[in-house]
Parts: sequence; C-alpha cells; structure tokens
Amino acid sequence: EVQLVESGGGLVKPGGSLTLSCAASGFTFSSYSMIWVRQAPGKGLEWVSSISSNSRNTYYADSVKGRFTISRDNAKNSLYLQMNSLRVEDTAVYYCVRGGTTMTTEFHSWGQGTLVTVSS
Amino acid sequence: IVLTQSPDSLAVSLGERATINCKSSQSAFYSSNNKNYLAWYQQKPGQPPKLLIYWASTRESGVPDRFSGSGSGTDFTLTISSLQAEDVAVYYCQQYNISPTWTFGQGTRVEIK
Repeated sequence: EVQLVESGGGLVKPGGSLTLSCAASGFTFSSYSMIWVRQAPGKGLEWVSSISSNSRNTYYADSVKGRFTISRDNAKNSLYLQMNSLRVEDTAVYYCVRGGTTMTTEFHSWGQGTLVTVSS
Repeated sequence: IVLTQSPDSLAVSLGERATINCKSSQSAFYSSNNKNYLAWYQQKPGQPPKLLIYWASTRESGVPDRFSGSGSGTDFTLTISSLQAEDVAVYYCQQYNISPTWTFGQGTRVEIK
C-alpha cells in the first residue's frame, strides 16, 4: 500500500523559511515523479511543484518560482520542499503526491497533508 | 490552461444522477496515443483528494462503477449515476498533458437534496 507522510509544517512569520518533508513507502520511490500540491483554507487545489524520478527535471508554479525548491533523496525514499521568503498567501495544507513514471501523469496517491501557516 | 467546472455546487436526491462538467481552454487530447489527459478527484471533508478517473474515462481501481467519466478535447463530464450519502464531497477536474503545468478546476460541491 502506498503511504506518504508529510512533516515539517507549522507557524512561521512572513519572510521566514520552512522545509517540508515527505516519507514514502509501499512503492519503488525512485521510479516515480513526485509532486507538491497545496490547498489554502476553504479554497481549491493548487499545484506547487513537481520533480522527475531522477531529479533531472523540476517545475514550479509561477506563484512560488524563485522562492521554493523541490528535491528528493531516492536512497531515503524522501521528498522535500524548501520554502523561503514565505508570504501570508502561502498559508495552506501542503500535500505530498505520487505521480507516475512520466511527468505527464495524473496524481495517483496523496498524503494527509501538513499545515503551513504564515502569520505575524 | 484554465479549467472551468460547472456548476459550482449542486444538490441531488439520494439515488438520483449527478452531472459535473469541466471545460478546458486547451485541448487535453493527444492524437499520438489517442488519449485525453484529464482526471477527476473526489475530496471529502477533512480528507486529502482521491483519484477517481484518469484518461478522462478510466476508473481508478476500487472506485464504484456508479462513477463514470466522458468527453474529449476540451469538454468533459463526471457522472454519478445514483448518488449515495458517501458521495458528498467536492469534485475537481485536472488536466495533465501540458507539462510543466498541472491545472485543476475550481471544484464542484455535491450535496444531498
């Protein structure tokens, strides 16, 4: 069974930094693209960032480009999201998502999410 | 890409049909493999989204057959043939063929009338 467990969320002041982690199990992590999706309170889903299975390709939504960095460690079956220069509008639940063996894929499995609150 | 779902919300009686539409500003169809890169997700209150349908009409394993997807190109539909109480949720469409962006519709809330 695919399991994705996010951690690292919390309260941070505007301009601050936070790193999210996602521990993956139940599948061959190194074979799949991975994604971060966020959902602001009471709002819809927003794709944030994607990374290919071998880390060669990374993509970002315009809203986070230049501030967020996605990375992965296939040896540790882990996905990360380094978030810098955080803004109030980055407040959301952040979901770790498993993609497919290619980048053009539906989002198969989702973690429970971790809440990031940006507030002074 | 902009995905526009309609309606924003709907209330349906138990056992009745629910229909949600999703219109894209760009085609989701690839002629090279004859596939539509369009998925549907269900999100129940307090839970993460769950994949229901991919390739516009392929049900994910374990999804009840009362859920069906149809459409091609820029117009798609999710149908719940006989609404059950456990189907109360927000439903999202997503297009995934225009790498490097992945776009969701704004969501449609389904409630019991």
